[in-house]
Amino acid sequence: AQTVTQSQPEMSVQEAETVTLSCTYDTSESNYYLFWYKQPPSRQMILVIRQEAYKQQNATENRFSVNFQKAAKSFSLKISDSQLGDTAMYFCAFMKRRFRPAYSGAGSYQLTFGKGTKLSVIP
Amino acid sequence: NAGVTQTPKFQVLKTGQSMTLQCAQDMNHEYMSWYRQDPGMGLRLIHYSVGAGITDQGEVPNGYNVSRSTTEDFPLRLLSAAPSQTSVYFCASRAPVTGRDGYTFGSGTRLTVV
Repeated sequence: AQTVTQSQPEMSVQEAETVTLSCTYDTSESNYYLFWYKQPPSRQMILVIRQEAYKQQNATENRFSVNFQKAAKSFSLKISDSQLGDTAMYFCAFMKRRFRPAYSGAGSYQLTFGKGTKLSVIP
Repeated sequence: NAGVTQTPKFQVLKTGQSMTLQCAQDMNHEYMSWYRQDPGMGLRLIHYSVGAGITDQGEVPNGYNVSRSTTEDFPLRLLSAAPSQTSVYFCASRAPVTGRDGYTFGSGTRLTVV
């Protein structure tokens, strides 16, 4: 089974500064995706950024970027120029491909989440 | 385009009562899942479906039933609620062709069992 570990239960950062959230995972799969989801106080789960395991280039989305180290099974999220709206829970998630012959070749992708990091941006 | 719609948003149940959490999506997604979120535990998979008529168990399926009679709907049933089922429940869906877009989540249902 896959496991995802977020070792920082809580973090804080000053507004406009940069912060990095850590995530490690364990898998024997070679084909998978990694995601960071943001959950603000509204409870909505929002996809922040994704990384495809076969791509060596780190994904970036505006102020958000990742450091993907496949051999080390590490997937950290860097938030630049932190804003008050970045205050939220952040979840790292892994998605593998599971093959079920009974489904006529249709694989099932299911997300495995870490326990989350609560990020507070301080004015 | 409403995306994934969950109802109700809040619910209080007494121990032993039954109820159904509703989930509907209008994106023609074949894959749908139910997760529960507990403090310090992240999100854990309860049940999932890869298409109408096909369901399977996730990590924490005990106490929950699901069925998938249509592509759009994936209800989660609690047959006899227990305080341990107090949680926030999320329904999610995605298209099967590629996983790169991840899942789209509903806004969640906060369930309290007293």
